[in-house]
Amino acid sequence: QQPVQSPQAVILREGEDAVINCSSSKALYSVHWYRQKHGEAPVFLMILLKGGEQKGHDKISASFNEKKQQSSLYLTASQLSYSGTYFCGTEGRAQKLVFGQGTRLTINP
Amino acid sequence: DVKVTQSSRYLVKRTGEKVFLECVQDMDHENMFWYRQDPGLGLRLIYFSYDVKMKEKGDIPEGYSVSREKKERFSLILESASTNQTSMYLCASSLSGRLAGSTDTQYFGPGTRLTVL
Repeated sequence: QQPVQSPQAVILREGEDAVINCSSSKALYSVHWYRQKHGEAPVFLMILLKGGEQKGHDKISASFNEKKQQSSLYLTASQLSYSGTYFCGTEGRAQKLVFGQGTRLTINP
Repeated sequence: DVKVTQSSRYLVKRTGEKVFLECVQDMDHENMFWYRQDPGLGLRLIYFSYDVKMKEKGDIPEGYSVSREKKERFSLILESASTNQTSMYLCASSLSGRLAGSTDTQYFGPGTRLTVL
């Protein structure tokens, strides 16, 4: 079962913050976040492993609540370059990633 | 840098044709994956391989087969293409990942947009 991402789409002005959520009905070992710009390949952002950790680099961070089987991606003071579609990939017992349907983020000047 | 290349960016085929999509990675990765990407459905796993000549079904394997004769190359085969297989196909590779909780970063190719008429 695919994880569910919310919202499906969001439009922001440059400098605003965004949160993208990823929720699974299955127990998770890890959550991966990827960003795909239009016409390009998805690019890895970060992995969060079982243990409820929080990671981040620059102004993009993420958290993983394994008890709730949820992860959230936080984009702070968004920049135009943050535009794209964000995917979470969840790893359960099957030891393969299952990706969500994606969240389209549009940043306007 | 890891490089994953796919044989074609765009492909147009007719219903019933046999279609081969090729993927090559240059970083000696053990795992390779084929996904299809459709609007509103995200990335869905078709097949993956964790070793040469090994393959495992993903979530939507029907109508597809794969071949991995060499470590660096993973082929997706549509035995008899149908219009519902019109999609963007993405190949990916990762270093290793047979243990739960240690799935490595997947590196994606640029994709092949296949249109079946």
